[in-house]
Amino acid sequence: DTGVSQDPRHKITKRGQNVTFRCDPISEHNRLYWYRQTLGQGPEFLTYFQNEAQLEKSRLLSDRFSAERPKGSFSTLEIQRTEQGDSAMYLCASSSSGVFGFGEQYFGPGTRLTVT
Amino acid sequence: QQQVKQSPQSLIVQKGGIPIINCAYENTAFDYFPWYQQFPGKGPALLIAIRPDVSEKKEGRFTISFNKSAKQFSLHIMDSQPGDSATYFCAASNYAGGGNKLTFGTGTQLKVEL
Repeated sequence: DTGVSQDPRHKITKRGQNVTFRCDPISEHNRLYWYRQTLGQGPEFLTYFQNEAQLEKSRLLSDRFSAERPKGSFSTLEIQRTEQGDSAMYLCASSSSGVFGFGEQYFGPGTRLTVT
Repeated sequence: QQQVKQSPQSLIVQKGGIPIINCAYENTAFDYFPWYQQFPGKGPALLIAIRPDVSEKKEGRFTISFNKSAKQFSLHIMDSQPGDSATYFCAASNYAGGGNKLTFGTGTQLKVEL
């Protein structure tokens, strides 16, 4: 399977703990996006990378959140000092920035975070 | 500020019916409009997308109609099947401006009954 993969699929943590999620994009895609989806809502943009450069961050991404994409391959999203409001599905998507398309974004299965 | 408004919130149709989901946007810089299908516990899957230089696009049983002047677009599902029961999201982005971050609607829960 050559789709977007995310790990772990589920994470339960206690308030105040740090968590880290990983996303492996489709191999030929140079853009990688993180979104957050709460129950009954559409995904909300958090941040995106082109290759290894983080080009945009949403105001939703507080100082407790940090994302990296070393070497322009996989990406990690870390949440420090988790709060109950961080409970959500964290989605990763990847795309190309090709001239011939509109950079269709393909999503992974998501990581479901529950903060107790 | 919600930049993409989606309706209805939920929809029930009979097998073979044609559900229609509508979206309206505010940002005239949007130039790419995809639709995603999402099943419970899964990530969104890209169904079909349209650019503002065409008024309609068909892929299989899915059709997007686009009205640039009204800033509205809609998804039609022909010959709907129980397997189409899912949540559908419209989205919009400014691809030409770089980034292509998607702004999503709030979703429509579709149920197709036998």
